[in-house]
Amino acid sequence: AQKVTQAQTEISVVEKEDVTLDCVYETRDTTYYLFWYKQPPSGELVFLIRRNSFDEQNEISGRYSWNFQKSTSSFNFTITASQVVDSAVYFCALSDPKTSYDKVIFGPGTSLSVIP
Amino acid sequence: NAGVTQTPKFQVLKTGQSMTLQCAQDMNHEYMSWYRQDPGMGLRLIHYSVGAGITDQGEVPNGYNVSRSTTEDFPLRLLSAAPSQTSVYFCASSLGTGGRQPQHFGDGTRLSIL
Repeated sequence: AQKVTQAQTEISVVEKEDVTLDCVYETRDTTYYLFWYKQPPSGELVFLIRRNSFDEQNEISGRYSWNFQKSTSSFNFTITASQVVDSAVYFCALSDPKTSYDKVIFGPGTSLSVIP
Repeated sequence: NAGVTQTPKFQVLKTGQSMTLQCAQDMNHEYMSWYRQDPGMGLRLIHYSVGAGITDQGEVPNGYNVSRSTTEDFPLRLLSAAPSQTSVYFCASSLGTGGRQPQHFGDGTRLSIL
């Protein structure tokens, strides 16, 4: 069965520190999609990135970077030089052909607090 | 840009009451979905729709009904509210299926069942 694990329930860092949020997933398919979403304290959910399982290149977007490792079924998210505005709950999510990609499985989320 | 609009934002119900959570999107997205968010459990899919007239169940469909008569609207009905349905509900839409494309979320409805 599909499963997404975010073992870190809560993380606190001091501003300007780097922080990595872990995401481990389970799927029996070779083709699948992975996502990261951000939920700031205001409550809305914001899409951050989508990754196809065939694209194993790491991605960098400003202070954000993502490390996709198929061999360990992980899709980790790193924030460099964290800022207070990065404080949010971050969700990793997975979809695969088993459900025709119609159902997205979300992890439990990691709550990140960046302390000034 | 309105995006995905959910109403109401807050609601308190008594056990056994019924109500409908409204969701509308103005992006002409075919795929729409409803999630509930509970502490420590992330988002769980309740129902989804891949187009007008087509709906299907997600992970936690019991106690909820949906219909999709238009591309724009995807209401979620609680038939007989129970305290276990106290949660924050999010509606989302995407251009293609939600598992291939980024989903756009509404602001959520905070629902309390007494």
